[in-house]
Amino acid sequence: SQTIHQWPATLVQPVGSPLSLECTVEGTSNPNLYWYRQAAGRGLQLLFYSVGIGQISSEVPQNLSASRPQDRQFILSSKKLLLSDSGFYLCAWSGRAEAFFGQGTRLTVV
Amino acid sequence: LAKTTQPISMDSYEGQEVNITCSHNNIATNDYITWYQQFPSQGPRFIIQGYKTKVTNEVASLFIPADRKSSTLSLPRVSLSDTAVYYCLVGDGRLAFGKGNQVVVIP
Repeated sequence: SQTIHQWPATLVQPVGSPLSLECTVEGTSNPNLYWYRQAAGRGLQLLFYSVGIGQISSEVPQNLSASRPQDRQFILSSKKLLLSDSGFYLCAWSGRAEAFFGQGTRLTVV
Repeated sequence: LAKTTQPISMDSYEGQEVNITCSHNNIATNDYITWYQQFPSQGPRFIIQGYKTKVTNEVASLFIPADRKSSTLSLPRVSLSDTAVYYCLVGDGRLAFGKGNQVVVIP
């Protein structure tokens, strides 16, 4: 069966520090992969999606970047975090019908 | 241009049937309609997907009229644990979620 792993669950980082969130998928090949951010009380904002290795589409201009170094690995990064980067970050993969989400990372930038 | 439009929020009493609507006036011929449920601090969870007419599974029914410009998710006999945000998506490899519909089930 397919599983998705996302870590860490919570993270507190100072302003200006770098960020690296990792997501891996097991049990499927060539999945579509996604990164979302959700601010408190708000909807899911699609940040990046990828249909294959090295193929990244950015949805909104921002302080973040994404990479897909392997078929089932998706990484969200920042060189210098801003206070506005705080939020709940979710990784997801999709097959033919539905999407499956990781447990999320609660990022607080202080 | 938003692909879907949903009411921001709605309340319902426990035990009632809840019908959640979604407008998708610009739906493309090949687009499927998919609904997700999200609880706080969790990722969305797939509920149901359909293309036309009616689809039913163990948790919900999805009604899609002939013109496919809207859809209605029906939750039978809701309980307090059905309080969540419900999203409808159309298309779309991008999986762009809108703001969703906050459904609150009242005792």
